[in-house]
Amino acid sequence: QSVLTQPPSVSAAPGQKVTISCSGSSSNIGNNYVSWYQQLPGTAPKLLVYDNNKRPSGIPDRFSGSKSGTSATLGITGLQTGDEADYYCGTWDSSLSAVVFGGGTELTVL
Amino acid sequence: DVQLVESGGGVVRPGGSLRLSCAASGFTFDDSAMNWVRQAPGKGLEWVSAINWNGDSTGYADSVKGRFSISRDNAKKSLYLQMNSLRAEDTALYHCARSGPLDDFDIWGQGTMVTVSS
Repeated sequence: QSVLTQPPSVSAAPGQKVTISCSGSSSNIGNNYVSWYQQLPGTAPKLLVYDNNKRPSGIPDRFSGSKSGTSATLGITGLQTGDEADYYCGTWDSSLSAVVFGGGTELTVL
Repeated sequence: DVQLVESGGGVVRPGGSLRLSCAASGFTFDDSAMNWVRQAPGKGLEWVSAINWNGDSTGYADSVKGRFSISRDNAKKSLYLQMNSLRAEDTALYHCARSGPLDDFDIWGQGTMVTVSS
């Protein structure tokens, strides 16, 4: 059981928009920074969003992050088949003194 | 190119030990905090351990505390994970990852597989 809760799967058609939620508590998301990772099949995770809503250099603006209270959301617009991957949220948990991740969400682009 | 390359994985019996290594290149290793993050087969990400830039501060997940030890050699641009008293549940792909400024991980290696089985 992961500390952060994500839906196991989401799907949408090419060109559409999808959102992935990440729910936590005051000891993690509520008082710390959230990051998001994309893991394409058979590859290492890749940082998509850090500091709740900032994108590293090279990440297209189709990917966006937001945070409100103890929840965070990753948005992906203009879906492409190449976006099919597992997506993870992560943050520091002050009670556990550990980085925690969500269980991951599998995105299918139909 | 910025790169992290892990090595040292393999098959080990329960109760055994293994030492993982991670070689860094393409960035200033001795300015960077580093981590180990693992992923059991078909499962999600689990943070394992972290070490600060000079090695005098470390942290561990409860699941490995007292059994695993993280260290680094800045002269060799290398990160290590000594794993003792291994259990079946430690079976996973172990990635090393660089800490970004805000508890994120901005560079990842491809990982080295550890299998604990009798």
